[in-house]
Amino acid sequence: SAVISQKPSRDICQRGTSLTIQCQVDSQVTMMFWYRQQPGQSLTLIATANQGSEATYESGFVIDKFPISRPNLTFSTLTVSNMSPEDSSIYLCSVDGGGRARDTQYFGPGTRLTVL
Amino acid sequence: QKEVEQDPGPLSVPEGAIVSLNCTYSNSAFQYFMWYRQYSRKGPELLMYTYSSGNKEDGRFTAQVDKSSKYISLFIRDSQPSDSATYLCASLYQGGKLIFGQGTELSVKP
Repeated sequence: SAVISQKPSRDICQRGTSLTIQCQVDSQVTMMFWYRQQPGQSLTLIATANQGSEATYESGFVIDKFPISRPNLTFSTLTVSNMSPEDSSIYLCSVDGGGRARDTQYFGPGTRLTVL
Repeated sequence: QKEVEQDPGPLSVPEGAIVSLNCTYSNSAFQYFMWYRQYSRKGPELLMYTYSSGNKEDGRFTAQVDKSSKYISLFIRDSQPSDSATYLCASLYQGGKLIFGQGTELSVKP
């Protein structure tokens, strides 16, 4: 399986500011995904990021709030813009397994965000 | 109704017990099913994935899917304290979207 790293691992931010989260994979992958895990809840998909095209956002998530970049096949960023305390969550990137495991997903360690 | 339902627990068992974790899903279009293990303050770790109905075994873990009843199960034999974690079931939807259950928190007591 791919090795996925995220930066930062955690951050505490002030209301109204923005934070960019980086996701790095050790191999080229077709699809990268960004999920949110709110306290005590399960994972919810924010958007799918494919290289060379605009990210596809799920219902309830918009590009102005969560802009995503996918400059190449091993890297993506998610920005949480104009943050409020309701954005306090764990943000996780995942990648498809590729090849015969393309219908699976592997997750990074997550970025724990607290907004004051 | 949530598309994937999972009892959040918590579930506490003694070491060595057989653990049964269960989920139900509502969308007949789901074909791939996964179980993830998530330790505190870590990302989800893929344990097993299955396609369609049937059983799949990997060491102490067995994943079972019954598409006729839309039921997903994970069995852990000879449970160990190191198995203490939150277990998440997930179904794969179109476009690569994973739909997760709420997760079951498992505690295995020595």
